[in-house]
Amino acid sequence: DAGVTQSPTHLIKTRGQHVTLRCSPISGHKSVSWYQQVLGQGPQFIFQYYEKEERGRGNFPDRFSARQFPNYSSELNVNALLLGDSALYLCASSWRTAVSGNTIYFGEGSWLTVV
Amino acid sequence: AQSVTQLGSHVSVSEGALVLLRCNYSSSVPPYLFWYVQYPNQGLQLLLKYTSAATLVKGINGFEAEFKKSETSFHLTKPSAHMSDAAEYFCAVSEGDSSYKLIFGSGTRLLVRP
Repeated sequence: DAGVTQSPTHLIKTRGQHVTLRCSPISGHKSVSWYQQVLGQGPQFIFQYYEKEERGRGNFPDRFSARQFPNYSSELNVNALLLGDSALYLCASSWRTAVSGNTIYFGEGSWLTVV
Repeated sequence: AQSVTQLGSHVSVSEGALVLLRCNYSSSVPPYLFWYVQYPNQGLQLLLKYTSAATLVKGINGFEAEFKKSETSFHLTKPSAHMSDAAEYFCAVSEGDSSYKLIFGSGTRLLVRP
């Protein structure tokens, strides 16, 4: 089975531009989360969506937005890019059972460089 | 609020030696704890998770971790390091078993000397 897939893998944008990152969860997973990982740090939670509804939001400005589609894929949008938005953006999909709770799987990420 | 502290940003071991990566957590609810590994220029791969079923958790690639509530710790170990274990390791905690939000530590880079 395919894991979490993300696109594009690498991209370069100019300050002030807009970017859209895409994610397809593992088949059967209904929850998608987005994380930002700045070089040298651990990932920081941005958003979580479940069944197309936003269920959680991290401490990020309104320039960051996301949505989930009926097929459970997701997009992360960032407007008015700043140099500090340069990071690895990770998408995660989740599967929950009553016995083992949540198991969260990550994609390979999208490397965003803002110049 | 929950938090994770990973002691030591860098750990260096010789090939064949014991690997010990430290993680301490803070949580007001029973925690779900995870260890992830990140190889250079790649995403995160799940090594193992603790869900309260057993305090000693075995993961992939020979790694295991022990949950110690009294010490609020979840240290990662491997009896014998291999060169391929060189990577960044992240400990994470989730806000209960129904939460999909992970709070990560700052990571520990494992270096394996030949």
